[in-house]
Formats: sequence, C-alpha cells, structure tokens
Amino acid sequence: EIVMTQSPATLSVSPGERATLSCRASQSVGINLAWFQQKPGQAPRLLIYSASTRATGIPARFSGSGSGTEFTLTISSLQSEDFAVYYCQQYNQWPPYTFGQGTKLEIK
Amino acid sequence: QVQLVQSGPEVVEPGASVKVSCKASGYIFSDFYTYWVRQAPGQGLQLVGRIHPKSGGTYYAQGFEGRVTMTRDPSITTAYMELSSLTSDDTAVYYCARVAVVGIPLFDSWGQGTLVVVSS
Repeated sequence: EIVMTQSPATLSVSPGERATLSCRASQSVGINLAWFQQKPGQAPRLLIYSASTRATGIPARFSGSGSGTEFTLTISSLQSEDFAVYYCQQYNQWPPYTFGQGTKLEIK
Repeated sequence: QVQLVQSGPEVVEPGASVKVSCKASGYIFSDFYTYWVRQAPGQGLQLVGRIHPKSGGTYYAQGFEGRVTMTRDPSITTAYMELSSLTSDDTAVYYCARVAVVGIPLFDSWGQGTLVVVSS
C-alpha cells in the first residue's frame, strides 16, 4: 500500500498571503494525485487531479504541482473560505487508493 | 445535477449492524463505482471499499473484510453499505462517493455523509 504523508499537520497563514502544502508518496505515483478540501461538517470536495489540473469550478488561486513522490498545493492569495483541511490522495495503485492524513489550514 | 443523498444518522449498540444507503441521481448510475469512505471524529479519510454498478463486484479494504457488505440496486440507483459487529471504533461519518468506471478514477461527487454512533 502506498503511504501518503502530508506536511505540515497545521499551517497558520494570514488572509491574502500564500499557502503551500506538501504531500509525499512512499513510492512513485506519477501524476496520479488529487487534492481535496474539507470544511467542518461537509464532505470533501475535489480541487485538483492529475497533480495540476483544477476540477470544475475551482478558482485559479488553487494550483498543484509535482510528480513522482513530491507534490505541492499552493493557494496564491488566501480567502476566508479557504481555511479548511486539505487531503492528498493517490490513485496510481489499486488497491487501494490512499489518502494523506490531512493539513489543517488555519487563520493566523 | 449530480447528487448523492445518504440515509440519516444512526445510533447503534455495540455488536449490532448498521446499513447506510446512498441514492444517486443526475448521472448514469452504471458508469460509476460507488465508493465508501469513513472519517472517525477528528481524523482523516479511510477507504472502506467499493462496488461495481453493473456486476456488483466488490472490494473491501483491509480491516473491513468479513464485516462489511456492499450491495446496490440499479433499478433505484441506490448503493448500500452494511457494517456488522460494530464497536466504538466504528463511530464515524460514512461517505459514499462516485468514481468513473472508465477513465481517471476521480472522487468527484460525494454524499453528505451519514453519522454512525456506536454506543450502548
């Protein structure tokens, strides 16, 4: 099973600033990586797939990069609605598809 | 529009079973797997398993084998997940999600979640 490790566990950033979240895979997943956003009491929402492709309706301030084992989600100018928990997920190897443990993005 | 609507919250006693439903609409049910993912309080996302919409073939994640049963009824575009021999560790929100059978396996739509509380 591929283990996904996210860092940091919690990230404190001020509104308007840039946030950079990291995700590492225990073995190469190519670009078969997705990012999800989850707000309290809500289901996860797909943000990014294929490491860098924004899902439908996702604002351009969200961008993804990386390949192989190292990936980054960048939010260029944080809005109040962006403070949430973010998960990465690999879908290169089945079974199973695996999630990272999450990064909580909080207001500084 | 695509919708996955799950059944309501459940409180069940230890050792009992629970069955959660996921009603799909707005898309061709037979083109998408139904996956089940759970989230314990304050924790991350854990895959429970999936079911193929046509064949009914299933995959159950390690740790759930022997305790979980996934079924579906294509005639009413609904998938079900039953979990038995419940313990307090099974207290969680259970989500269903759709993933295309063909193409990139994206979890692009999710149900609203069903809270299952295991308590005596």
